[in-house]
Amino acid sequence: AQSVTQLGSHVSVSEGALVLLRCNYSSSVPPYLFWYVQYPNQGLQLLLKYTTGATLVKGINGFEAEFKKSETSFHLTKPSAHMSDAAEYFCAVSETTSYDKVIFGPGTSLSVIP
Amino acid sequence: DAGITQSPRYKITETGRQVTLMCHQTWSHSYMFWYRQDLGHGLRLIYYSAAADITDKGEVPDGYVVSRSKTENFPLTLESATRSQTSVYFCASSGLGNRSGYTFGSGTRLTVV
Repeated sequence: AQSVTQLGSHVSVSEGALVLLRCNYSSSVPPYLFWYVQYPNQGLQLLLKYTTGATLVKGINGFEAEFKKSETSFHLTKPSAHMSDAAEYFCAVSETTSYDKVIFGPGTSLSVIP
Repeated sequence: DAGITQSPRYKITETGRQVTLMCHQTWSHSYMFWYRQDLGHGLRLIYYSAAADITDKGEVPDGYVVSRSKTENFPLTLESATRSQTSVYFCASSGLGNRSGYTFGSGTRLTVV
């Protein structure tokens, strides 16, 4: 069965510092992997995705993530945090064989300290 | 406007009443989904649809009914609302299923009193 773990329900970083949000998954088949961001009182917005090909994927707002099969990880990074990055971030995994089985992680709340 | 819209944004209803949450998308996406978001449970899939007239249960379907007579609409009905159905409900759509990721609506905050 698929599952997603996000280490740290809450992460705080200083403005300008590196952002690292951790995601580990389990999947019995090659996965599709996603990061979504949710701002207060809004729906989730797709940040980036990995389906096939290059394991380092770039997304919107300067975020990127690297798929590491050996570590079953898909950590999200951004070199320099901005105040506007404060939000809830969700990692999600989906089996390549089934469109309906998208599993979301519990989320990580990111705070950016000025 | 193009996009995916949910209505209403906020709803308060009484226990036992029937309530319908609306979802409309303008992209003609084949796939549509209903999730609920609760503290401590994250996002859970209620129902999904691969095309008009094709729907299937997700993780937590009990107490909910969906229909999809037109590609662009995917209403979610709570047949007899219970307090445990107090939640934020999100509709999502996708043109290519899980491969392309989902586009979410802004959500409906439902309170059952």
